[in-house]
Amino acid sequence: IQLTQSPSFLSASVGDRVTITCRASLDIKNYLAWYQQKPGKAPQLLIFAASTLQSGVPSRFSGSGSGTEFTLTISNLQPEDFATYFCQQLSSNPPFGGGTKVELK
Amino acid sequence: QLQLQESGPGLVKPSETLSLSCSVSDGSISSSTYFWAWIRQPPGKGLEWIGNLYYSGSTHYNSSLRSRLTIAADTSKNLFSLRLNSVTAADTAIYYCARGVFGVVMGYHFDFWGQGTRVTVSS
Repeated sequence: IQLTQSPSFLSASVGDRVTITCRASLDIKNYLAWYQQKPGKAPQLLIFAASTLQSGVPSRFSGSGSGTEFTLTISNLQPEDFATYFCQQLSSNPPFGGGTKVELK
Repeated sequence: QLQLQESGPGLVKPSETLSLSCSVSDGSISSSTYFWAWIRQPPGKGLEWIGNLYYSGSTHYNSSLRSRLTIAADTSKNLFSLRLNSVTAADTAIYYCARGVFGVVMGYHFDFWGQGTRVTVSS
């Protein structure tokens, strides 16, 4: 199962609403997770099971979708949200999308 | 809070063996609730899954690395390890260990990650 993440790069401003999409080549139900990675740091889990927010993650992050199309939405983008975001699916090979880098406009 | 810490040499010569360990604290690698994984990230690139280790001792490897890869547990030390043989420059990456959690029905995700260790393959 292949994951296609879009866009690869995204320019946004503080306060913007940002949407990142992950498309699977086959139906993966709701078996999708999202991660945030800041430069020089390990990825951190944001959302699992497509829409369940990991403990401690701000509520401005939300996930939706099922089947083959999923979205990660960041409402009211904050300075600490400029990072790279990865999706991950249930198939192990390969599990990760290519990433979306969110940059300051 | 669970913590994972990778350790190992930062420089490995081509054709030699890369060996890394991941020490787990405030949690047992013998728990059946979780599994343990290695994931790597080449410079400037995305995440590549390497392999999983389950509490039974069974493993699941990336097919592209399987012939060179061994992941094993040392339960007496509460750590798990990675050995990758015959390395080349393409194995240069940041290597992360992580804890995997199975979904209620299916699927999985990685909820805790080590800080990562940079490995360079060069003579």
